[in-house]
Amino acid sequence: KAGVTQTPRYLIKTRGQQVTLSCSPISGHRSVSWYQQTPGQGLQFLFEYFSETQRNKGNFPGRFSGRQFSNSRSEMNVSTLELGDSALYLCASSPGSENIQYFGAGTRLSVL
Amino acid sequence: GESVGLHLPTLSVQEGDNSIINCAYSNSASDYFIWYKQESGKGPQFIIDIRSNMDKRQGQRVTVLLNKTVKHLSLQIAATQPGDSAVYFCAENKGNTDKLIFGTGTRLQVFP
Repeated sequence: KAGVTQTPRYLIKTRGQQVTLSCSPISGHRSVSWYQQTPGQGLQFLFEYFSETQRNKGNFPGRFSGRQFSNSRSEMNVSTLELGDSALYLCASSPGSENIQYFGAGTRLSVL
Repeated sequence: GESVGLHLPTLSVQEGDNSIINCAYSNSASDYFIWYKQESGKGPQFIIDIRSNMDKRQGQRVTVLLNKTVKHLSLQIAATQPGDSAVYFCAENKGNTDKLIFGTGTRLQVFP
């Protein structure tokens, strides 16, 4: 069974641009969550989607948004990028009926 | 506020010894706790979990202990191997959602 797949693995953007990250969950998993990982703040929860509905949201500005499609694939978007948005963005999926979340390798975003 | 923290940023152990990684949490409403291992360039990998109605759970070479009285969680790794070298995170969850609150992480270094 394939794991959680995140694309792209690396991204370089400049301030003010926007970016879209993609996540394909494990087959059969309906819940997808996103996390931001930085050396200073650690792993922080961004949002969670289940069956195309946002079920939970972390304390991030409105520039951070996401969505989930009918096939459970998810995307997150960051608009008007800031230098502080440089981070590893991790996606995790779970069946939705249990709590074990399986993580992808992440997308490393660098904002110049 | 909510927080899950780790006491030690780095733990160095000799190959073959047992390792103990500690974690303190502050939210007594959390009912599910997880340990993840993160190797360089990879996403967090699930190790073991424990529900709040349990005190101890064992896996292969790993044991998680939960002390709800002092809000303390620990991960014990038996016969530590070089492949165990990684950053270890504890995380808490309140159930009926996939939102995880992560600790700051402990780096485990195994030397021969």
